Amino acid sequence: GAVVSQHPSRVICKSGTSVKIECRSLDFQATTMFWYRQFPKQSLMLMATSNEGSKATYEQGVEKDKFLINHASLTLSTLTVTSAHPEDSSFYICSARYVIDTEAFFGQGTRLTVV
Amino acid sequence: SQQGEEDPQALSIQEGENATMNCSYKTSINNLQWYRQNSGRGLVHLILIRSNEREKHSGRLRVTLDTSKKSSSLLITASRAADTASYFCATSIDYKLSFGAGTTVTVRA
Repeated sequence: GAVVSQHPSRVICKSGTSVKIECRSLDFQATTMFWYRQFPKQSLMLMATSNEGSKATYEQGVEKDKFLINHASLTLSTLTVTSAHPEDSSFYICSARYVIDTEAFFGQGTRLTVV
Repeated sequence: SQQGEEDPQALSIQEGENATMNCSYKTSINNLQWYRQNSGRGLVHLILIRSNEREKHSGRLRVTLDTSKKSSSLLITASRAADTASYFCATSIDYKLSFGAGTTVTVRA
């Protein structure tokens, strides 16, 4: 199957700083990537859809100024958590699909801890 | 928002036994997918079943889909310790995947 690589896998940052998470599709081009957030022992909640060359589409309740998404190329999307606070601590996961409406390939996830 | 609900929330079985988990959803779908997540990792796709299919197999996995009841089940046969993970159903509507709450499966050696 296709490979989606997410980096870093773990990050600890101080409150008020920004953190950037990268998501790369290694062997296919992804015009669309998805960013999810997962709390412990809970399901994945879609945060936003990242579109190459255009603005991301955010789900209701997700602050676009706090979670900045950039999809500058067909293989890279980034999520920047700005002015992070402890309540932003979570597991963030990206995914991409070859073709809309088929299986999704997920990155390894990023465990963000804000102290 | 979450579309699917899964039950049970947790399941503990002996190695070699079968594990069955169910997923219910609310709206019409294009397809339904099952994923596995090992602790602290990303998700791995297991199987996709389209809305016009009723049953699908892949190795030790069997998935059924009943669109009239808006439900699906995942059966893992002859379970192994390596099957210990969380399992999620996901419904595909337009281009988005909406995930269920998940079932945590523990396989005891």
